[in-house]
Formats: sequence, C-alpha cells, structure tokens
Amino acid sequence: GQNIDQPTEMTATEGAIVQINCTYQTSGFNGLFWYQQHAGEAPTFLSYNVLDGLEEKGRFSSFLSRSKGYSYLLLKELQMKDSASYLCAVMDSNYQLIWGAGTKLIIKP
Amino acid sequence: GAVVSQHPSWVICKSGTSVKIECRSLDFQATTMFWYRQFPKQSLMLMATSNEGSKATYEQGVEKDKFLINHASLTLSTLTVTSAHPEDSSFYICSARAIGADYGYTFGSGTRLTVV
Repeated sequence: GQNIDQPTEMTATEGAIVQINCTYQTSGFNGLFWYQQHAGEAPTFLSYNVLDGLEEKGRFSSFLSRSKGYSYLLLKELQMKDSASYLCAVMDSNYQLIWGAGTKLIIKP
Repeated sequence: GAVVSQHPSWVICKSGTSVKIECRSLDFQATTMFWYRQFPKQSLMLMATSNEGSKATYEQGVEKDKFLINHASLTLSTLTVTSAHPEDSSFYICSARAIGADYGYTFGSGTRLTVV
C-alpha cells in the first residue's frame, strides 16, 4: 500500500529552527509537495521537490532523497504565525496526490 | 498567481436537504478539479476527481449518488451534497493544478458544512 509518515505534532521556540520529516512509500514518484494549513483554512503551497537535494525559499527549505523515500521541511527564524499544520504529499505514478496526516507545529514565545 | 474561488465559505443546513458548493478557477483553466473532505485533526481525504466534460472519478467508499459532481466548464466545478446528514458535516475543499513554475496545486478556501 501507499504510505506517508510524518510526526503528529512538534513544538519549537520563536526564533529557532525546526525540521519536519516525511517518509514515504508510494507506487511511483512524480514529486513531493509541502503545504501549510492554518486551522480552519485551506492548505497553501510551500514547495515542490522532484530531484534530490535542497530547495531554499526564504525562511523555508525543503530537502528530498528519493533513494531513501525521505524529505524534510526546514523552517528557520520561527515566527508565531508559523504555528500551523504542515502537510507532506507525494504524487504517485498515476499523478495522484497521496497525503500525509500532517504535522501540527506549535510555536512558543 | 492561480486562484481558485470556493463558495460558500460556510453553510448550515437541515438534515435531508441538499447543499451545493462551487469552485471556480479565476485566472486559469482547470481541466481537472479535485474534491477533498477533511475531518477535524485529520488529513485531506480525496473524494473524487472531476474532469471537464466527463463523469467524475470517485474514490472507494465515496457514494457518487450522494456527492454529485458537475464540471461543465473549464472554470467551474460543483459538488452537491444530497440528502445531507450530520455525519456529512466536514470541511470540503477543492483543488486544481495550474501549469506554472511552482507546480503547485491551488486550493479553494474551503467550505465548512454543518448539518443539523
């Protein structure tokens, strides 16, 4: 079966750095997405990785290792507004998105 | 950037009635629209994939006669929850993929449905 694993919840301090991991087992691979979702709102796109390596976008970076079925989202200089759920999703060989359950990130002052 | 407009944002309806949710792609053509449902503290669950001009493809366990999907144009897809029950209360979100540099799927703002 297809499976996406990510931690249920993480806590970090304002101004610090946090890394949210995602491991996956899917039927084929056509890219991995990270989305941010605030409570009661729709997800918003953060990043897309299809090749191995690190993609940096401001305070957020996303890493992919296809051989290990592994990705992480790195958030630097954490702000209170970064408190949200972070969803990992993989596009399989049928171009269908398989979603992780999301990681709830709690930022403390 | 690509925008998907979803209406209504929230709706309360009585059991047994029907509710229609609309999703419009404002600045791109969405040949395919995805409909998701999300229960509290759970991940997105794909309900169906809607293709313009053809019948929607439903995921296993989703009743196609209960969740009617129409995708009559390249910019509009609708989901109608028929004979709604309290267990249908959920957050419904549509999504479409706009071909662009970020490869991202754009989501509508979501519809909070409460059936009483």
